[in-house]
Parts: sequence; structure tokens; C-alpha cells
Amino acid sequence: GAVVSQHPSWVICKSGTSVKIECRSLDFQATTMFWYRQFPKQSLMLMATSNEGSKATYEQGVEKDKFLINHASLTLSTLTVTSAHPEDSSFYICSAKTTTSGSWNEQFFGPGTRLTVL
Amino acid sequence: GENVEQHPSTLSVQEGDSAVIKCTYSDSASNYFPWYKQELGKRPQLIIDIRSNVGEKKDQRIAVTLNKTAKHFSLHITETQPEDSAVYFCAASLGGSYIPTFGRGTSLIVHP
Repeated sequence: GAVVSQHPSWVICKSGTSVKIECRSLDFQATTMFWYRQFPKQSLMLMATSNEGSKATYEQGVEKDKFLINHASLTLSTLTVTSAHPEDSSFYICSAKTTTSGSWNEQFFGPGTRLTVL
Repeated sequence: GENVEQHPSTLSVQEGDSAVIKCTYSDSASNYFPWYKQELGKRPQLIIDIRSNVGEKKDQRIAVTLNKTAKHFSLHITETQPEDSAVYFCAASLGGSYIPTFGRGTSLIVHP
């Protein structure tokens, strides 16, 4: 149980285009999902916390107009990188938290999306 | 906010040796400390975690210790195997807010 999927697994796009990444919890409901960005050989940097039915909470330094997050249902959150530029190239990972007693505070990560902006 | 320091950044050991990765945290209110293993290009996977009401936890070759007074916790891997090679991240979080703060990661290389 507690499987999180992401789509696409990788994407290459031209500079100036927008890219949407989907994060789904497959076998549980996730009221909260998290979006991370990871540069090569670096740690996971939290970008925003996505709450179902409400606006996302962005971390300091993350442009909310550039990284649009929508959490329309209890199993789906999307991250849209608008007007992407080469510096946005990175590994984007989502995670979700379950609320079952056996997984207190544990979060489950998606497989990640490798974004390359040319 | 919470600040998590992790050392070393790279750790190279021979197969069969033990490996120890150490982390310190700044917020004494943090009460949950997970460790994740991330293989190249893959998702982080939880390998072990510890709560602040426990000083040590063991799962086969992996153990984690927590010193609340000193605000540091460590991951111990015994009898390392080549498949243990990966990047390991520690994290600390406050139960209520949940959002963990990650360390910078340790690249563990186990030489056969």
C-alpha cells in the first residue's frame, strides 16, 4: 500500500513552454502532498505544500506564479512549471502523507520527474 | 526553523565493513527522525525511523540511535554490501507540522 505515482517520468521541452507534472496517490487519500526539487548530488528542497481544496503554501524563494500547484482531489496534485527556462531543469519529486496509525508522519515519495529545458 | 546537518557527504567503505552517518538538528521540539535511501534517479525510500521517545531502533543490519540532549542521531549499517551503495538522507520533523527538514545527504559507496 501507500503508492505514489508521477507522470511523466521525464520530459524535455523548449524554453518558454509550460510543463505539467502529475502526482497521484494510488491506494490512499492524501489530504497533503509535498513538492520537492532536487539538483544533481544535492538534497531534497521543499518547494511547496499542497493541500486538497485550498491554495498551496510555498517555501520562501519559490515563485508561486511560476510553479503553479493544484490539488483538486484527495488523490491528485499537479505542478505546472510555467514559461520554463534552462535553469528550471531539475528532478521534481512529490510525496504524500497517509493518516493511518501505522505510518505516523511517514511520507511516501513518487518516482520523480526529470525535467530538461532546452 | 529547523536546520539539519549531515556528515559525511561521502563515505567509502569495503564490503563487510560498517558505515555510520551522523546528523544533528537544531529544533529541540522535533520528535520524528526518518532516514531515506535514494538510488540514482529513483525515489527516496524510507529505511528506518525513530521517534523521540526511543533511544535506539534496529532492523536487521540497520540501526538508528538518537541523543535528544545533544540533538543528534545516527544511522549505522553493519556488514555493508554493494547494494547498500546509494545516497542516504536524514530528516527531522515536528510531529504536528509534519513537514520534515532534510539533511544534505551522504553518498555511500561500498566497494566489493
